[in-house]
Amino acid sequence: EAQVTQNPRYLITVTGKKLTVTCSQNMNHEYMSWYRQDPGLGLRQIYYSMNVEVTDKGDVPEGYKVSRKEKRNFPLILESPSPNQTSLYFCASSLSAGGYEQYFGPGTRLTVT
Amino acid sequence: AQKITQTQPGMFVQEKEAVTLDCTYDTSDPSYGLFWYKQPSSGEMIFLIYQGSYDQQNATEGRYSLNFQKARKSANLVISASQLGDSAMYFCAMVGGSNYKLTFGKGTLLTVNP
Repeated sequence: EAQVTQNPRYLITVTGKKLTVTCSQNMNHEYMSWYRQDPGLGLRQIYYSMNVEVTDKGDVPEGYKVSRKEKRNFPLILESPSPNQTSLYFCASSLSAGGYEQYFGPGTRLTVT
Repeated sequence: AQKITQTQPGMFVQEKEAVTLDCTYDTSDPSYGLFWYKQPSSGEMIFLIYQGSYDQQNATEGRYSLNFQKARKSANLVISASQLGDSAMYFCAMVGGSNYKLTFGKGTLLTVNP
């Protein structure tokens, strides 16, 4: 089944404790990206990747890191999480950049206390 | 910088009626793409429809159509014959042709009444 998987689905952590949210797709997509969704703000893009080893900042990259060492995986790293990073996070992939629909993962609800 | 504006935080429609959800955009890119996504209360993001900036005709997908008015920079979603299952949050989004960033609007919460 074609899908984007994210882990964990739910995470409660404390300020400053490094964490990684994994994202994997099995559709051989080139384009992958991370979003955060906050009430009243819609989805905001954190980082995106056009292909392996190519990443670029979205609209809200501060406090986040990403890497794209393999085509299928695009982990999101929070080196020192803070409470303002409490949010719902979505990973998505598409065949390529531009006019292709994004396939979204199920979301990761992160709470930083 | 590109921007998406959805001015309707919430909309109500009677079952079986048509409804239009507004979306305006701003970009300096001559080439861009416009999307609509649906997010039901269960949380998943569902792709509905896509319109390219050079497409001559308005996109349609079943009961969904995109009313694309390039000069006015608007990309409204029209849902015909609303169903109870259409109750959800709807997001308009765009991707730029030069930087491939994807920008979403803040969404419109649609409620379909029986």
